[in-house]
Amino acid sequence: ETGVTQTPRHLVMGMTNKKSLKCEQHLGHNAMYWYKQSAKKPLELMFVYSLEERVENNSVPSRFSPECPNSSHLFLHLHTLQPEDSALYLCASSQADVGAAGELFFGEGSRLTVL
Amino acid sequence: GEDVEQSLFLSVREGDSSVINCTYTDSSSTYLYWYKQEPGAGLQLLTYIFSNMDMKQDQRLTVLLNKKDKHLSLRIADTQTGDSAIYFCAETLYSSASKIIFGSGTRLSIRP
Repeated sequence: ETGVTQTPRHLVMGMTNKKSLKCEQHLGHNAMYWYKQSAKKPLELMFVYSLEERVENNSVPSRFSPECPNSSHLFLHLHTLQPEDSALYLCASSQADVGAAGELFFGEGSRLTVL
Repeated sequence: GEDVEQSLFLSVREGDSSVINCTYTDSSSTYLYWYKQEPGAGLQLLTYIFSNMDMKQDQRLTVLLNKKDKHLSLRIADTQTGDSAIYFCAETLYSSASKIIFGSGTRLSIRP
């Protein structure tokens, strides 16, 4: 138990569906992240929220839309996805200014399959 | 550019030492990390090294950093079946304190 909870753990959706992934952290952190994990590829940073403001958006297609209503919750809204978007989506949290030897705490991930 | 590279697979015999290697491209990296991902789980920080250090030892784990060659390694002594996992190398860039760049992970498998 890392203190970061992701739901759902598994999601299958069609290309025309709209769904959302949810992440909640109970660690009192003030930065939250979405990463995409695909087989044989580097873990890809998608979005970073620090103190509830988006500070990173790494050229992610607009069919992925993040939302951070408060420092404990993070959502990833999914709309008209493509089969190549199938992957494990990992949420993480940390104290802001993670560069000072900070540690990322990860959830167990949401396995997304797009048909 | 920002790039962290690792080999994808490593197989070792139980009881032997495992050495997982990583190269990175950004010379301004401040911290370098090793994260471990067990099956069905997220990543957990295993250890880290500050860029002005050459070596760090923690029980069965030894991290070696060659800054000149931008090469990082993780040595696991007396490898056990519980060490089976994916090991990710990562760096933090001086230019972006909120950003950690990960490699693709090395899947370590243990044979009896």
